[in-house]
Amino acid sequence: EPEVTQTPSHQVTQMGQEVILRCVPISNHLYFYWYRQILGQKVEFLVSFYNNEISEKSEIFDDQFSVERPDGSNFTLKIRSTKLEDSAMYFCASSEPSWTVNTEAFFGQGTRLTVV
Amino acid sequence: DAKTTQPTSMDCAEGRAANLPCNHSTISGNEYVYWYRQIHSQGPQYIIHGLKNNETNEMASLIITEDRKSSTLILPHATLRDTAVYYCIVSLNDYKLSFGAGTTVTVRA
Repeated sequence: EPEVTQTPSHQVTQMGQEVILRCVPISNHLYFYWYRQILGQKVEFLVSFYNNEISEKSEIFDDQFSVERPDGSNFTLKIRSTKLEDSAMYFCASSEPSWTVNTEAFFGQGTRLTVV
Repeated sequence: DAKTTQPTSMDCAEGRAANLPCNHSTISGNEYVYWYRQIHSQGPQYIIHGLKNNETNEMASLIITEDRKSSTLILPHATLRDTAVYYCIVSLNDYKLSFGAGTTVTVRA
């Protein structure tokens, strides 16, 4: 069964450092997303990406965050200058848009980011 | 997106059906009801979704009331591996899912 893969599974970084979280979406999917979940809290939407541009973003997704699809297979989330409060599990997801039938989003297993 | 209300937690006996309720009284006509689950901090997993009609797949059944103000997810034969947090989400599509606190379902042997 196709799956969304994320690397690394766990990333520890020092406050103020840049971090890049990587995702390989399912190959025929066209919509890509990042969500995050702070420990013990809800899963929160960050950003959606389609046709090489951001289609929607939440208030959390400020100037410190950026997304990119650098090579047609990877989808990355960059945090420029990490803060302690960026510590969370980050989930990548993808879906295949269908203009007639809604399709589901497939989520990766997540990257646990710890900022120290 | 419309707000949903789910019980905080529920227990279920292994092998029995688990019926998970969800209220969404402010749902609009073109919003779907989605169900996802999250097993122990893994990535959320899609279960099922529907608009008006009842739906069934290999994982579960979704029963939506005629007025669409509530729905029930049915896991027909719960196993220990079904222990998870179950999220009922009302949305126009799956392009931006708004997860609430969900229902923590514990399946007991």
